[in-house]
Amino acid sequence: AQSVTQPDIHITVSEGASLELRCNYSYGATPYLFWYVQSPGQGLQLLLKYFSGDTLVQGIKGFEAEFKRSQSSFNLRKPSVHWSDAAEYFCAVGPTGANNLFFGTGTRLTVIP
Amino acid sequence: GAGVSQSPSNKVTEKGKDVELRCDPISGHTALYWYRQRLGQGLEFLIYFQGNSAPDKSGLPSDRFSAERTGESVSTLTIQRTQQEDSAVYLCASSLGLRGYTFGSGTRLTVV
Repeated sequence: AQSVTQPDIHITVSEGASLELRCNYSYGATPYLFWYVQSPGQGLQLLLKYFSGDTLVQGIKGFEAEFKRSQSSFNLRKPSVHWSDAAEYFCAVGPTGANNLFFGTGTRLTVIP
Repeated sequence: GAGVSQSPSNKVTEKGKDVELRCDPISGHTALYWYRQRLGQGLEFLIYFQGNSAPDKSGLPSDRFSAERTGESVSTLTIQRTQQEDSAVYLCASSLGLRGYTFGSGTRLTVV
């Protein structure tokens, strides 16, 4: 079945530590790939996206993500987390030919001082 | 407008009542989407509008849910005879295709 999986429901990191949020998908062809962030009570903000080309994409707020075709993964990384990064992070997939994006269930990030 | 605007931001309604949620997309965005986000869960696709084409209603959970959009402007999502399981945040997004959604801040619906 087609799906987007974010295996980590909740992650806690210390401020200044590195971060990696996992995302795996199962769709036939290479889809469009996205990461969104949602702060409490807010809508979703686009962090970065991948359509084609260089498999390492840079986004806003110092985030990056790497597309690995062999692993059907699109993991989000940040070398040094700031307290303001505490939020919910959603991976989304836009399958080829689809009209809409499919979202993972999200990973809640807590940042401790 | 500069962003996607949704109203109301919060709505409390009694079980069995009808509610209407409104979305003003970014001017010029031909595509408009409605998603539902239940507490602690991901986004659930509801419906998609693209220009004057027939909408993709494949995500609507029951016939109590309907949505309209006039041309490439405002959309309304209507929930009839609301049930407690309809309590959620309803998010609207607009885009010029899949390459970049812009989300509104959502309408938090509480059915009591």
